[in-house]
Amino acid sequence: DAKTTQPNSMESNEEEPVHLPCNHSTISGTDYIHWYRQLPSQGPEYVIHGLTSNVNNRMASLAIAEDRKSSTLILHRATLRDAAVYYCIPYTTSGTYKYIFGTGTRLKVLA
Amino acid sequence: NAGVTQTPKFQVLKTGQSMTLQCAQDMNHNSMYWYRQDPGMGLRLIYYSASEGTTDKGEVPNGYNVSRLNKREFSLRLESAAPSQTSVYFCASSEALRRATLHFGNGTRLTVT
Repeated sequence: DAKTTQPNSMESNEEEPVHLPCNHSTISGTDYIHWYRQLPSQGPEYVIHGLTSNVNNRMASLAIAEDRKSSTLILHRATLRDAAVYYCIPYTTSGTYKYIFGTGTRLKVLA
Repeated sequence: NAGVTQTPKFQVLKTGQSMTLQCAQDMNHNSMYWYRQDPGMGLRLIYYSASEGTTDKGEVPNGYNVSRLNKREFSLRLESAAPSQTSVYFCASSEALRRATLHFGNGTRLTVT
């Protein structure tokens, strides 16, 4: 299984962009990169995923390095509601379909 | 649409007692998962079921058993609860395709005294 490295915590001011990095240097060529977030006292929720190209949706953007060894989740304008733990997860597709969560990055948004 | 439903929401057990955590999904997903989350920690995979009729161990399976009762339901059993199993348990499901995303329940908070 591919391993990930994320900062334990980050801070951002409200309405400013946030770049959350993830290192996944052992990812295989066919693994998608998924991002989830967990708001306080809730189960994780899906944010975005991608394979090679940069991806955008209504919640965030995902920038994937050309060598796929790292990626960055971008929140364009952080709000107080974005305060959560963000998990970067290589989605293993080699024979089985399972997610392995790491410890994630705790994002604090300052008003 | 209910999504993933977990019961109970809260449970207190004494050491050595047994119990089953229930999980059901109404999205016709093939794969289901059980995770545990200890305070201040990330989620750790206990067991998963890639499809109906199959189950496999995850990162921390010791002390647990699972049953994939049918496509909708995936239960987690603690045969003899220990204080180390105090945690929040999350059930999740996915389509089991290469682009599948996980859908989580709201969790069961279990305390073993």
